[in-house]
Parts: sequence; structure tokens; C-alpha cells
Amino acid sequence: AQSVTQPDIHITVSEGASLELRCNYSYGATPYLFWYVQSPGQGLQLLLKYFSGDTLVQGIKGFEAEFKRSQSSFNLRKPSVHWSDAAEYFCAVGGIQGAQKLVFGQGTRLTINP
Amino acid sequence: EPEVTQTPSHQVTQMGQEVILRCVPISNHLYFYWYRQILGQKVEFLVSFYNNEISEKSEIFDDQFSVERPDGSNFTLKIRSTKLEDSAMYFCASSQGAAKNIQYFGAGTRLSVL
Repeated sequence: AQSVTQPDIHITVSEGASLELRCNYSYGATPYLFWYVQSPGQGLQLLLKYFSGDTLVQGIKGFEAEFKRSQSSFNLRKPSVHWSDAAEYFCAVGGIQGAQKLVFGQGTRLTINP
Repeated sequence: EPEVTQTPSHQVTQMGQEVILRCVPISNHLYFYWYRQILGQKVEFLVSFYNNEISEKSEIFDDQFSVERPDGSNFTLKIRSTKLEDSAMYFCASSQGAAKNIQYFGAGTRLSVL
């Protein structure tokens, strides 16, 4: 079955530390890939997207993600986190067989220690 | 920056009652979506809407659900007879185009069915 997996439900890092959030998908072809962030009381905000081309994509707020076809992964990274990065992060895939819908992972809740 | 607006932010209803969740998509967008997230679970696609008709729907979107664009600005989700299991956060989204387009999300409506 088609699926998106975020293996880490909850991650805690110290402010200033580096961050990597994992995302794996299971589809035959390369879908369109997205990372969204949700702060408390807010909607889902797009951090970055991958459609094609350069496999390392830059997003807002200093985030980047790398698409690795061989591993069916699209991990999100940030070299140095800030307390304001505490939020829920969702990986999503779209464009599967031309469909419009996004398929989301379970989400990873990020806590920042001061 | 244009945004998707959802009202109300929280809706409480009795089981068996009808509810209408309202959304104002971004003004020049042509595709509209509803997703839901049951507490602790993934964000799930419900339905997409284009050119005044449903273009895709999930298995969740049964006869109890309907969508409508009653005027040029609003997009609504109606649940005819709510069940306890309809309790969830409902997100509206919109995009300019179809699959290879960014979906912009509202802050959500939390529906509590008692």
C-alpha cells in the first residue's frame, strides 16, 4: 500500500543543535514531496517542496531537505535549531498517478530544550 | 500574505446534528480541499473540488459528507448527521492548480461531537 512514514513521533533537541527529521515513502515512481510545519493553533505552513531537479532543496526558516531516490527518503534538516522551531512537522507526498491529494506521514513533534 | 481562513475555530455539537464548516480559500485559487486529523492520527484527505464539482474523494467521504461553493468566496463542508467518530480537526486547503501545485492550509476547525 502507498504510505508515508515518519519513524520518530517525538524528538527533543537542545537549542543550537542540529536537527534531522526522517521521512520515507513507498511509491513506485517519484512523487512530489513536501514538508509542512504546524505551530500550536496555526495551520499547516509549507517549509519546502521537491518536484524535480536538484535533490537538495532549500526552504524557509533555514530548513533544507534532501531527496534520495535509492532510499525513498526525503529527510528534513536544519544545522542549528531555535526555540521557535518547536512545532509538529509533517512530511507529505502528492501527484501520485496524477492525483491531487496529499498523503501525509504521522508527524514528528519537535521539542527544543533551552 | 494571502491566507486560507476557516471558521469557527472550534465547533461543539451533539451526535446526530448537522454541522457546516466554513472556509474562505485564497482568492485566485481554483482547487479546494478538505482534510481531517483525528487526534493522534495522520492528516487524511477527504475531498478535492474544482470547477464546481468534486474531482477526487476518499473512502471516508461518504454520503454523510457534502461540499459546496455557495458563492465566489466560501467553500463549505457539511456533515449531515454527526457521529462520535467525526470528532477531529478539519483543515481546508486551496491551490492555484492541480497535482504539481502547493496547497495552502487554513488553521483548522476542531469539531467535537458529544
